[in-house]
Amino acid sequence: GEDVEQSLFLSVREGDSSVINCTYTDSSSTYLYWYKQEPGAGLRLLTYIFSNMDMKQDQRLTVLLNKKDKHLSLRIADTQTGDSAIYFCAEKGFKTIFGAGTRLFVKA
Amino acid sequence: DTEVTQTPKHLVMGMTNKKSLKCEQHMGHRAMYWYKQKAKKPPELMFVYSYEKLSINESVPSRFSPECPNSSLLNLHLHALQPEDSALYLCASSQGREDTEAFFGQGTRLTVV
Repeated sequence: GEDVEQSLFLSVREGDSSVINCTYTDSSSTYLYWYKQEPGAGLRLLTYIFSNMDMKQDQRLTVLLNKKDKHLSLRIADTQTGDSAIYFCAEKGFKTIFGAGTRLFVKA
Repeated sequence: DTEVTQTPKHLVMGMTNKKSLKCEQHMGHRAMYWYKQKAKKPPELMFVYSYEKLSINESVPSRFSPECPNSSLLNLHLHALQPEDSALYLCASSQGREDTEAFFGQGTRLTVV
């Protein structure tokens, strides 16, 4: 069945770049997403990439997709304390499957 | 208006109670979703409504009963829940089932005692 895996925790210093990685199994996925969830809140879509793209950049966010290895990454440039949250990778095939989430902790 | 509004924000209920969670959106979205999220876990899909008809039920126990009275509203009726049903219940909507972007509500934190 479909599966999405992420590392559970990442700690960076303010101003550094953060890279959050994700692997997925469903090769028929059409879209891959990154969602952000702050404490006590719902999910907010940060960015997405269509499966026939390799890279997408949106301000401080860069998404890289290696379709051969089924590997997705999210790079946050100049990470700020406000970026501290849980980041969920998700793939959309017939339905959307979420990874377990990576908790990003930004040290001032 | 890009909001999905869920009420109540918090709910404590006994195992013999009947309660309902409500979700509302005014973006003209035709797909609406219920997810359940346990602590430190990803959201798990429960139900999908498309054009006010139930299109996906992820083998959810019958003590959870969804209802879509119109295209803007989605309810989740709760009856005879168990303590393990305590979780954050998230509602989401999207333009259509195939749409890229789903908008999530803030969730209802449910505690079953």
